Amino acid sequence: DTEVTQTPKHLVMGMTNKKSLKCEQHMGHRAMYWYKQKAKKPPELMFVYSYEKLSINESVPSRFSPECPNSSLLNLHLHALQPEDSALYLCASSRPPSLAGGGTDTQYFGPGTRLTVL
Amino acid sequence: AQKVTQAQTEISVVEKEDVTLDCVYETRDTTYYLFWYKQPPSGELVFLIRRNSFDEQNEISGRYSWNFQKSTSSFNFTITASQVVDSAVYFCALKRETSGSRLTFGEGTQLTVNP
Repeated sequence: DTEVTQTPKHLVMGMTNKKSLKCEQHMGHRAMYWYKQKAKKPPELMFVYSYEKLSINESVPSRFSPECPNSSLLNLHLHALQPEDSALYLCASSRPPSLAGGGTDTQYFGPGTRLTVL
Repeated sequence: AQKVTQAQTEISVVEKEDVTLDCVYETRDTTYYLFWYKQPPSGELVFLIRRNSFDEQNEISGRYSWNFQKSTSSFNFTITASQVVDSAVYFCALKRETSGSRLTFGEGTQLTVNP
């Protein structure tokens, strides 16, 4: 089973709202990712968690706050977003690279959350 | 630096035609991994294939086939007898052995298969 689930599918929020995106996987993967994808562009990596610890933050603004409560769940907390943050937010999971940074494993993606910031 | 180029922004074919999506990559690493993903209008990126740099065998999976050629740094994807359900954006991606989890994506190719 290579399923990653994300909720909600669609989200509309105002610039002063606080909301959260949720991602869940039950493949036993220990690496989880958040990507942002604008229309007609490839996904851009935002955050990576490896063994529930944040390992990569691609200089993402602090209005995006990731959280990994356990090995199956990944959240993205949103606060004071801007209209330009409107995008498709994709979650992915994989077995983590080796501690030395090498090796790889396939990233499996969820269906995404389409976020609109008004 | 590494880079993935998908020169074909959009391709339109008629059902049952064969179509090849091109992917050219640049990397100085000797160990690396190449991927193809499909993104239908629903948004989910669907994993299609992974190849490591030491394995130049071509692969066939049903109507899909992949041609990996290190000599030309290409990893092309062919769909035989295309179907309307093949309509999607297809991304080629590269990952270095030492880049942690970072995938370098191409810009994607929008494939439209018309009935």
